[in-house]
Amino acid sequence: GAVVSQHPSRVICKSGTSVKIECRSLDFQATTMFWYRQFPKQSLMLMATSNEGSKATYEQGVEKDKFLINHASLTLSTLTVTSAHPEDSSFYICSAFIPQGSYEQYFGPGTRLTVT
Amino acid sequence: AQSVTQLDSQVPVFEEAPVELRCNYSSSVSVYLFWYVQYPNQGLQLLLKYLSGSTLVKGINGFEAEFNKSQTSFHLRKPSVHISDTAEYFCAVSDGQAGTALIFGKGTTLSVSS
Repeated sequence: GAVVSQHPSRVICKSGTSVKIECRSLDFQATTMFWYRQFPKQSLMLMATSNEGSKATYEQGVEKDKFLINHASLTLSTLTVTSAHPEDSSFYICSAFIPQGSYEQYFGPGTRLTVT
Repeated sequence: AQSVTQLDSQVPVFEEAPVELRCNYSSSVSVYLFWYVQYPNQGLQLLLKYLSGSTLVKGINGFEAEFNKSQTSFHLRKPSVHISDTAEYFCAVSDGQAGTALIFGKGTTLSVSS
């Protein structure tokens, strides 16, 4: 099946610094990728929809200047958490959508961000 | 907007017992339904999906789910669980439009003990 990777799997950073998380579709082209955030023991909350070659669409309440999304190619979307604070600590998961046929999304393994 | 309700936050069962994890969704003209499993500190793995056709959907690891349009439900079942089935299970819905994100339920923690 389709594979989506994320890098890094875990990252610890200091408050005030920025962190970049990469999401790659390894064996298919993804015109649309999604970024989700998951707090401990909670569900996945959609943060934004990333479209190749255009600006991301953010969900209500998500600060677009804090969570920068770039989808520069059909296989790579990046999420940059700028000026991170401890409350940004979370599990970030991306998914990629294959538009043909299955309407299935393939999820990356997630990135655990800890801001100290 | 679509919404998903998972009625049980935690389901403890003994090994080899049957289990049902309940999921209800808000009604829509067309809807695609999914069940995902998440093991600790890992991403999501698709268990099964309903797009159209037969209302009984069989997935991986012996799981199955039944789409019930009149009750707007998509409950997940397994006739005999294993210790290794211990995980978080998420029901998700899509409105059937290509390229739209999934809406997830809050999840059900399945704990299988011996």
